[in-house]
Amino acid sequence: SAVISQKPSRDICQRGTSLTIQCQVDSQVTMMFWYRQQPGQSLTLIATANQGSEATYESGFVIDKFPISRPNLTFSTLTVSNMSPEDSSIYLCSVALIQGAGGYTFGSGTRLTVV
Amino acid sequence: AQTVTQSQPEMSVQEAETVTLSCTYDTSESDYYLFWYKQPPSRQMILVIRQEAYKQQNATENRFSVNFQKAAKSFSLKISDSQLGDAAMYFCAWGADSNYQLIWGAGTKLIIKP
Repeated sequence: SAVISQKPSRDICQRGTSLTIQCQVDSQVTMMFWYRQQPGQSLTLIATANQGSEATYESGFVIDKFPISRPNLTFSTLTVSNMSPEDSSIYLCSVALIQGAGGYTFGSGTRLTVV
Repeated sequence: AQTVTQSQPEMSVQEAETVTLSCTYDTSESDYYLFWYKQPPSRQMILVIRQEAYKQQNATENRFSVNFQKAAKSFSLKISDSQLGDAAMYFCAWGADSNYQLIWGAGTKLIIKP
């Protein structure tokens, strides 16, 4: 299975600012996923990121608010832009080495608090 | 559309005893995978066990086993000899064989009583 290094692990940010979250994978993966997990809730998929193409966003999430970079097969970033307190959540990146069968590996998450 | 339902928001069990967490799903797909993930307070999502829908045999990983009832679209997780380290949120998830996306249940908080 892959090992994912996700940074930062936590941050407290002022409203109106932006935060970029990084995920580095120790092996090449086709697809990376970015999730949001609000306190006490399940995971909500923000977008799917393929290397070399635009990310695909889920309903309710837009590129201007959550721009994603995927410059190569081992790295991706998610930026939370113009933050408000409603953006306070845990953000998780995930990869799938093998579609379905291999399961999915997650980064350790970023706990974001917007004040 | 696919859905995953975990009807137990919280479960508690005495240490060393057995507990079963429930999960049901709805899909029209024939080829898919089911997963149980554990999320302790550290936030790390940890794969506990997975089941391929085409396999009739229930998956087992040490103290963790599933009861997969395909016709009933049920996928429960049994934890035997519960340990304090099993305390966490447990999420059931469904994934199609045809794409990478997962559909998640709402989660069950498991409390282990010493």
